[in-house]
Amino acid sequence: DAGITQSPRYKITETGRQVTLMCHQTWSHSYMFWYRQDLGHGLRLIYYSAAADITDKGEVPDGYVVSRSKTENFPLTLESATRSQTSVYFCASSVGGRAEAFFGQGTRLTVV
Amino acid sequence: AQSVTQPDIHITVSEGASLELRCNYSYGATPYLFWYVQSPGQGLQLLLKYFSGDTLVQGIKGFEAEFKRSQSSFNLRKPSVHWSDAAEYFCALFGNEKLTFGTGTRLTIIP
Repeated sequence: DAGITQSPRYKITETGRQVTLMCHQTWSHSYMFWYRQDLGHGLRLIYYSAAADITDKGEVPDGYVVSRSKTENFPLTLESATRSQTSVYFCASSVGGRAEAFFGQGTRLTVV
Repeated sequence: AQSVTQPDIHITVSEGASLELRCNYSYGATPYLFWYVQSPGQGLQLLLKYFSGDTLVQGIKGFEAEFKRSQSSFNLRKPSVHWSDAAEYFCALFGNEKLTFGTGTRLTIIP
């Protein structure tokens, strides 16, 4: 199916564990983004990518790692999860510029 | 650095009343600006966008927004709100290869 999908939709993990959130888009969009959404903070940019093998830090990158070996995939890894990383994570893709960004349904991550 | 500011965290309006949600931006060139809406528990949906030309842009669901370069603003308006408009609204800017969002405005509609 065409679109942008995130997995898992819900995840509970323990402090200190590594966890990877997956994002896959079928449009071959150049740009991909990861955000976290927390009450009172809106959507904060974690990492973004303008093309395969090109990634850059956003507003809140500490504790996160990304890769983009293929245009369609943009996984986000929490190297050692902390309670402060409990959040809803959204992935988005776009052709960039004036074009609309399309969002996944989000991953609700709880770190206990 | 680019930024988007939405000064109003929460707005309450009566059904049928007019609405204006404020958005201010900071960016060194002409920005690409967007308004998105997020219903509870849902992803984000594009309402409208501005990139050049006519400074008044029309969007879906009866929304419009006006770009004012002199004020660095891109305010969202609707002449008459419906109960289904209750949601979170986000202003966003694409520049320097990244899409930056404001903190959002939560809209509550009262009968």
